[in-house]
Amino acid sequence: AQSVAQPEDQVNVAEGNPLTVKCTYSVSGNPYLFWYVQYPNRGLQFLLKYITGDNLVKGSYGFEAEFNKSQTSFHLKKPSALVSDSALYFCAVRASQAGTALIFGKGTTLSVSS
Amino acid sequence: NAGVTQTPKFQVLKTGQSMTLQCAQDMNHEYMSWYRQDPGMGLRLIHYSVGAGITDQGEVPNGYNVSRSTTEDFPLRLLSAAPSQTSVYFCASSRQGAGIGELFFGEGSRLTVL
Repeated sequence: AQSVAQPEDQVNVAEGNPLTVKCTYSVSGNPYLFWYVQYPNRGLQFLLKYITGDNLVKGSYGFEAEFNKSQTSFHLKKPSALVSDSALYFCAVRASQAGTALIFGKGTTLSVSS
Repeated sequence: NAGVTQTPKFQVLKTGQSMTLQCAQDMNHEYMSWYRQDPGMGLRLIHYSVGAGITDQGEVPNGYNVSRSTTEDFPLRLLSAAPSQTSVYFCASSRQGAGIGELFFGEGSRLTVL
């Protein structure tokens, strides 16, 4: 069965420092991987996805993610964190070949201090 | 562009009452879905639809019904509310399906069952 894991409930970084939010996955077949962000009292917003191609995927708001097949990881990164990046981040994987559902991780709260 | 619109935003029910959460999208997306979000559990898929007249169950369908009579609307019905259904509910739509393209989320409906 497909699954994703976000090993950290919370990540704390100082503004201007690089940030990493971790995600590992377990899939049969080729992984289709996604990152979404949720700001307080809002719905989720799409950040980026990996389906095929370059291992480094660039997304919205300066975020990028690195796909690592050997480590089965898809970590979200940003070179310089902003206070406004503080939010809840979800990693997700396609549940099946049919593409009818996503399986979400439990989420990681990112807190950026000024 | 309104995107995905959910109503109501907040609702309090008593155990055994019924209600319908409304979801409408104006992007002509074939794929629509309902998720529930609970603390520490991420998002879990309740039901989804790949087009008008077609619905299917997700991970946690018990206690919920859906129908899809038009492309635009995908209501979620709770027939006899239980305290375990206290949650935040999100409707999401996509042009390409959940595991391929971007999911667009509504703002959420917070339901409390007493």
